[in-house]
Amino acid sequence: DAGVTQSPTHLIKTRGQQVTLRCSPKSGHDTVSWYQQALGQGPQFIFQYYEEEERQRGNFPDRFSGHQFPNYSSELNVNALLLGDSALYLCASSLVWTVNTEAFFGQGTRLTVV
Amino acid sequence: AQTVTQSQPEMSVQEAETVTLSCTYDTSENNYYLFWYKQPPSRQMILVIRQEAYKQQNATENRFSVNFQKAAKSFSLKISDSQLGDTAMYFCAFMTLIIQGAQKLVFGQGTRLTINP
Repeated sequence: DAGVTQSPTHLIKTRGQQVTLRCSPKSGHDTVSWYQQALGQGPQFIFQYYEEEERQRGNFPDRFSGHQFPNYSSELNVNALLLGDSALYLCASSLVWTVNTEAFFGQGTRLTVV
Repeated sequence: AQTVTQSQPEMSVQEAETVTLSCTYDTSENNYYLFWYKQPPSRQMILVIRQEAYKQQNATENRFSVNFQKAAKSFSLKISDSQLGDTAMYFCAFMTLIIQGAQKLVFGQGTRLTINP
């Protein structure tokens, strides 16, 4: 059973560019959350998708947007990249409507903005 | 707003020793969940242990146990008989159900734990 998969694993972009990160949830999961983890810090919640809609958003600017597809996979888009966007981006999948489910994380995408 | 604080940036112990990682949190919620996650160099977050706030009994998972003090808003992790494979970043996290069943994890800053041979 494949867990949460993220692509790409590493990415280098230039300031001002746009980037798209991808996530496939664990089989059977319907909810995808995205987190940003700066170096040496704990992950920060960006937003969560369920039924192809953004359900909750953290304190991130509109440059951060996302999408969820009918197969539950998700994309995170970041426009007008800043140096401060350099971080590890983690995707987590879970089942909605219950907190007893475990949130499974992918191995993340390391984004470097130069 | 909920916050999670881990006051120990780094800890180091010898193999087979017992180590305790500290975590405090702040919330006005009554029903919530607390977690300890492990993040090895592979970067993948792995759930170590979970505690439901409405349960008085402290959770245990093999060599891992917690000391949950709800009134003090404290949630420490004890690792017994530590092993080299326990070397990792450890994050304390808090979760409540938010709108329409969605969930949001709030993480602490992490504790870097090194187990020495």
